Amino acid sequence: DGGITQSPKYLFRKEGQNVTLSCEQNLNHDAMYWYRQDPGQGLRLIYYSQIVNDFQKGDIAEGYSVSREKKESFPLTVTSAQKNPTAFYLCASSENRGSSYGYTFGSGTRLTVV
Amino acid sequence: AQSVAQPEDQVNVAEGNPLTVKCTYSVSGNPYLFWYVQYPNRGLQFLLKYITGDNLVKGSYGFEAEFNKSQTSFHLKKPSALVSDSALYFCAVRPPFADKLIFGTGTRLQVFP
Repeated sequence: DGGITQSPKYLFRKEGQNVTLSCEQNLNHDAMYWYRQDPGQGLRLIYYSQIVNDFQKGDIAEGYSVSREKKESFPLTVTSAQKNPTAFYLCASSENRGSSYGYTFGSGTRLTVV
Repeated sequence: AQSVAQPEDQVNVAEGNPLTVKCTYSVSGNPYLFWYVQYPNRGLQFLLKYITGDNLVKGSYGFEAEFNKSQTSFHLKKPSALVSDSALYFCAVRPPFADKLIFGTGTRLQVFP
């Protein structure tokens, strides 16, 4: 079945560490997105990519980095510069710009700083 | 600036009663409109969308939404609520030719037995 997979489901980070969250899709979608969700809150866009080897900052990109070396993959690195990284992270994918398709979401990764 | 508003943080309804979750938008042109649902510790799931045509759109789990162009609204409705409908609901809009969706802040629906 086609879908979007995020791993791991739960992740624990020590202070000062970088961690990488995985997002893989087999939907042949061009665009991929990373969102952060804090408890009981809405979605805030971190980074997005419309095409391989290109990506744009979202509203809260500071302390995060991404790469898009393959169409299927869009990993997110939470760096030590992100002061409050504990949150639920959601990855999504979509067809091209302006598409009526909407997004398909992964099941999320919950990151906790210990 | 283009935006989506969900004016209610929480909606409470008794099981068996009709429910409405409100959404209004401020977007130029004719956007695509979406509703998503999120259960605890899960990703967002697609419920329904409006592209064009009939103003009443039917979706998953018995939900429907009514598009009103003059009021720029896209309210989510269900004739008879279930306790299992309790979740977080997000309205989203994709403006014409836009490269991403604009999400509302979400509305928590609580259905009481």
